[in-house]
Amino acid sequence: EIVLTQSPDTLSLSPGERATLSCRASQSLSGSYLAWYQQKPGQAPRLLTYGASNRATGIPDRFSGSGSGTDFTLTISRLEPEDFAVYYCQQYGSSPRTFGQGTKVEIK
Amino acid sequence: QVQLQESGPGLVKPSQTLSLTCTVSGGSISSGGYYWSWIRQHPGKGLEWIGYIYYSGSTYYNPSLKSRVTISVDTSKNQISLKLSSVTAADTAVYYCARAGATSGSYRYWGQGTLVTVSS
Repeated sequence: EIVLTQSPDTLSLSPGERATLSCRASQSLSGSYLAWYQQKPGQAPRLLTYGASNRATGIPDRFSGSGSGTDFTLTISRLEPEDFAVYYCQQYGSSPRTFGQGTKVEIK
Repeated sequence: QVQLQESGPGLVKPSQTLSLTCTVSGGSISSGGYYWSWIRQHPGKGLEWIGYIYYSGSTYYNPSLKSRVTISVDTSKNQISLKLSSVTAADTAVYYCARAGATSGSYRYWGQGTLVTVSS
């Protein structure tokens, strides 16, 4: 099983600032099969990016994913008020699929 | 627009079997090309992948739950089902169904989730 470790656990930032979230895999992800999700309280996760760097339909371009191998990053270029939420990475290169433990982006 | 809707009892007694159904609208399960999954989230915690099923019936379960999980598909009703046996309080969670593409294993479509509490 591939373990995904996200850092930091919590990120305290102000609107307009840049957010950089990290996801590290215990093994190299073939094909960069990594996705990022946003989850707000009481809601299902929302797909942001897939294939490490492809934005999902309807996702603003302030969200960008990057990385390969074992190290991946989600960057939010300028935080909007609606971006304060919990973010999860997920690998789908092997089964079982696994998720990171999440990074909470909170208002400073 | 594909929509997924989970349904089932919100309260299950310990040692019994949890049974949930996910009804899919806006697309046919039998058209193929997608993996239909169950994912759960313990209160205040992260996401745990339970398993998936393809329309043909082939499945893969998380080894941590494999001995207790069954996922099935009913193409005539356009539904997938989850059964989890011998539940304990540790199985209390919000259960989601979600769809992943066969070539892209990311989950674009999710149900709204249903909370199942295990308690006597």
